[in-house]
Amino acid sequence: LAKTTQPISMDSYEGQEVNITCSHNNIATNDYITWYQQFPSQGPRFIIQGYKTKVTNEVASLFIPADRKSSTLSLPRVSLSDTAVYYCLVGAKAGNTPLVFGKGTRLSVIA
Amino acid sequence: NAGVTQTPKFQVLKTGQSMTLQCAQDMNHNSMYWYRQDPGMGLRLIYYSASEGTTDKGEVPNGYNVSRLNKREFSLRLESAAPSQTSVYFCASSEVPDGNTEAFFGQGTRLTVV
Repeated sequence: LAKTTQPISMDSYEGQEVNITCSHNNIATNDYITWYQQFPSQGPRFIIQGYKTKVTNEVASLFIPADRKSSTLSLPRVSLSDTAVYYCLVGAKAGNTPLVFGKGTRLSVIA
Repeated sequence: NAGVTQTPKFQVLKTGQSMTLQCAQDMNHNSMYWYRQDPGMGLRLIYYSASEGTTDKGEVPNGYNVSRLNKREFSLRLESAAPSQTSVYFCASSEVPDGNTEAFFGQGTRLTVV
């Protein structure tokens, strides 16, 4: 699996847009990029997945440049409830590929 | 539709005791996973099963064994518990046959070994 690098922590005020960048220089041609969110004392929850360009859902947007060596998770107008750890994963969409999590980015939203 | 169910939710073991953590999913997923998460740390993969009848080691398999009993169930066994195995254990499943790989996690088992 392609190794990922994310900032360890980030702080933001409520109402701001938050962008978390993940580096994955060794991403393979058939790899997808997936982001998960984890609240304290809970298991991670899927947020968004993409392969290239831009993907948007009701929770977040995912921006992937043409070389796919990095990706950016964008959370619009964060609230206190968005305080969580965010994980970036890179791997094949199907088949025998295990889901391997890195250390994630701890986002703290301040009132 | 329960998703991923783990039992028990809490457990205290004495060093050297054995136990099995149970996990079941009702989403017809092919792949299942066991992770451990130590305080303030990320998730580390213990074992995974890409399909019924297959299991593979993850990042930290030592001290654990697994059984993929059928498509629904994936159990994790600690044969001789050690204090270093004190952690929160998460089971997850993913990959329906159409290729969607969104993973769903259970609520976790909080294990303390004294």
